Amino acid sequence: QVQLQESGPGLVKPSDTVSLTCAVSGYSIRSSNWWGWIRQPPGKGLEWIGYIYYSGNTYYNPSLKSRASMSVDTSTNQFSLRLSSVTAVDTAVYYCARGGYYTLLGAFDMWGQGTMVTVSS
Amino acid sequence: QSALTQPASVSGSPGQSITISCTGTSSDVGGYNYVSWYQQHPGKAPQLIIYDVSYRPSGVSNRFSGSKSGNTASLTISGLQVEDEADYYCSSYTRITTVVFGTGTKVTVL
Repeated sequence: QVQLQESGPGLVKPSDTVSLTCAVSGYSIRSSNWWGWIRQPPGKGLEWIGYIYYSGNTYYNPSLKSRASMSVDTSTNQFSLRLSSVTAVDTAVYYCARGGYYTLLGAFDMWGQGTMVTVSS
Repeated sequence: QSALTQPASVSGSPGQSITISCTGTSSDVGGYNYVSWYQQHPGKAPQLIIYDVSYRPSGVSNRFSGSKSGNTASLTISGLQVEDEADYYCSSYTRITTVVFGTGTKVTVL
């Protein structure tokens, strides 16, 4: 079955860049889907970070002011997120998810379990 | 982009029906039939329960239904059950090809 699994450093220092990877199994990342990142600060709501198509086409949340960057590796069936100049407000659970393209546009029908990223010195 | 507006909390007794609203603008909710709803239990990842305003993914109970009027979408849970107690989020595709989530609603079963 389709599974998504996030991995990341857990703890990063302020002003650093955090890199997260999402490994997709049971489904080709080259299929017609957006591959997205969503985060959730402790006790707060969901925030869409952005998504990427396997061709490399990307869209990001304007509020992140170019700090976010995504990439895809079709050879390993993985996609990644880099978030630069992190501060305490970037502390959150980060989820990767499969999004619709021709159908389910804007919806995410498969999610990873999430990985906690804490920004602290 | 501003988050879609949802009530902070909604409650109901078992067997009752409740409705959660999700208000956006003509650039998101009102402009497209691409509103989705998610259910999230504590410590778990969100689960898609409604997409394209009113469609249910396979396996989702037909007690969940969605609708839209103008810039406001709604999720109705009928025959409320204890296991429906969770946080619910709406989301919408937007005019600039992004996605925006709602502020979230905590559903309590009395």
